Amino acid sequence: DGGITQSPKYLFRKEGQNVTLSCEQNLNHDAMYWYRQDPGQGLRLIYYSQIVNDFQKGDIAEGYSVSREKKESFPLTVTSAQKNPTAFYLCASSELDTQYFGPGTRLTVL
Amino acid sequence: GESVGLHLPTLSVQEGDNSIINCAYSNSASDYFIWYKQESGKGPQFIIDIRSNMDKRQGQRVTVLLNKTVKHLSLQIAATQPGDSAVYFCAENSGGGADGLTFGKGTHLIIQP
Repeated sequence: DGGITQSPKYLFRKEGQNVTLSCEQNLNHDAMYWYRQDPGQGLRLIYYSQIVNDFQKGDIAEGYSVSREKKESFPLTVTSAQKNPTAFYLCASSELDTQYFGPGTRLTVL
Repeated sequence: GESVGLHLPTLSVQEGDNSIINCAYSNSASDYFIWYKQESGKGPQFIIDIRSNMDKRQGQRVTVLLNKTVKHLSLQIAATQPGDSAVYFCAENSGGGADGLTFGKGTHLIIQP
């Protein structure tokens, strides 16, 4: 069953903690992306990676970090430096221009 | 359409009617467009795409129309069903940069029984 998986579905974090969101794909896509979605707003790009061991900052990278050690995996760490981390986080991968999304992780800061 | 604050534009249609959702895109250099459907609490789902060398493309119960002159994209859903209730948003490739797509804020489609 091919696709993009994200875990966990729900994540709760205390202020000052770092948390890591998982994103895995078995579509053999080279490019992967992380977006943040807030109510009533469009998707905002956090980080993207076009190839293994390479990634670039998106529009709102401050307070986040990523790694791309394997083609299938693109984890996102939300650090304590992110001042307003409560949001819905979406991972995507792409074949050429078309992006396909995972089911999302809802992060709530307590 | 555009949204203000936390509220998305809403389109309410009767079950069985046709729905038309509109999107104004920003970059005249964009040459690829996608419509996504997002149900509450889920990730966006690809519906249909179109390249700029086309004006119209049809899928199963859906049609996308592209008007490059006024930078306007529309999604038509035929015979709307309760399962069509979702937020629909468009995306453009904004000139094909490595950072991918630019997304609209979306329109909330509500199906009345």
